[in-house]
Amino acid sequence: DGGITQSPKYLFRKEGQNVTLSCEQNLNHDAMYWYRQDPGQGLRLIYYSQIVNDFQKGDIAEGYSVSREKKESFPLTVTSAQKNPTAFYLCASSSLGNEQFFGPGTRLTVL
Amino acid sequence: QKEVEQNSGPLSVPEGAIASLNCTYSDRGSQSFFWYRQYSGKSPELIMFIYSNGDKEDGRFTAQLNKASQYVSLLIRDSQPSDSATYLCAVYNAGNNRKLIWGLGTSLAVNP
Repeated sequence: DGGITQSPKYLFRKEGQNVTLSCEQNLNHDAMYWYRQDPGQGLRLIYYSQIVNDFQKGDIAEGYSVSREKKESFPLTVTSAQKNPTAFYLCASSSLGNEQFFGPGTRLTVL
Repeated sequence: QKEVEQNSGPLSVPEGAIASLNCTYSDRGSQSFFWYRQYSGKSPELIMFIYSNGDKEDGRFTAQLNKASQYVSLLIRDSQPSDSATYLCAVYNAGNNRKLIWGLGTSLAVNP
């Protein structure tokens, strides 16, 4: 069953903690993306990667880090430097057609 | 600054009517255009894409593209309450490192 999985579905973070959000795809897509969505807001790009071992900052990369060691995986770490991390985090992937397909999302809340 | 603009709504239509959602974009070199549906609390789901001027139909959905006017629209025929969602427009230009430029979305409410 092809698709994109994200875990966990819900995540709670204490202030000062780093947390890592998982994103895995078995669609054989080259490109992967991380977005943040705040209530009533659009999608804002955090980081993206077009190939393994390479990634670029998006519009709001400060306080976040990523890695792309495998084609299937693109984890996002929310560091303590991100002052307002409470949001809905969405991972997406795309192939040559450029349409992006999304995982179910992770809802992060800071306690 | 490359932009994609949508009326935020809410757009309210009665069940069975045609819902018309509109999107304008600023980058004249844009090549591909996408419509996503997002239910409250869920992730966006791709419902239509269009590359060429004109109409593209898929079931109850029709995407319309006019590159000269930098305008793309989505028509939903025979609207159903299950169509109530936020509809996001996204635009692609190959010179933009395979990133999509996103609109903020239009909220649609279909009333029984």
